[in-house]
Amino acid sequence: AQSVTQLGSHVSVSEGALVLLRCNYSSSVPPYLFWYVQYPNQGLQLLLKYTSAATLVKGINGFEAEFKKSETSFHLTKPSAHMSDAAEYFCAVTWGGGNKLTFGTGTQLKVEL
Amino acid sequence: EAGVTQFPSHSVIEKGQTVTLRCDPISGHDNLYWYRRVMGKEIKFLLHFVKESKQDESGMPNNRFLAERTGGTYSTLKVQPAELEDSGVYFCASSQGQASSYEQYFGPGTRLTVT
Repeated sequence: AQSVTQLGSHVSVSEGALVLLRCNYSSSVPPYLFWYVQYPNQGLQLLLKYTSAATLVKGINGFEAEFKKSETSFHLTKPSAHMSDAAEYFCAVTWGGGNKLTFGTGTQLKVEL
Repeated sequence: EAGVTQFPSHSVIEKGQTVTLRCDPISGHDNLYWYRRVMGKEIKFLLHFVKESKQDESGMPNNRFLAERTGGTYSTLKVQPAELEDSGVYFCASSQGQASSYEQYFGPGTRLTVT
């Protein structure tokens, strides 16, 4: 079965440090890849998406992700963490142009002073 | 423009009772989705409406769950009778189109607790 794996349910970084959230997928067909963020008491908000154009995708709030087909990965990065980045992040995938999202288990990002 | 809204935000019911969750999509969005997150696990797809028709209900857990979207506007998700394993956060999302290029906009979710 096709799946999404997010390594690390909790990640803690210092303010100003690099943020790296990992996402790997298993797929036999080209995927569409997404990163969503959920702030407390809010709905999921789309950070960025990959839909087979440029492999390096830039999103909102300074986040970006790189699609690496050979590694079946779509890791999310931000050069310098800010306190406001503390939230839960979800990697999600659809396949074959469909729109049913398959999510990873989420990564809770904590940013410390 | 108002986002996706869901009601109630929290619901606590006893096993065997009935609960109805409501979702109001963004105006003009024909596509409406329900997802669920059981504690500690991933968000899982339940079903997809296009207007008032069920396009895909492959994720519905069992026949205790009934989703409707009369008139192609708001949607309800009824759980009857509720079981303990139904506890979780139920998310609704809407989009303008069906293709993956269309963003799904999510509501804040309804947290359901079955005791």
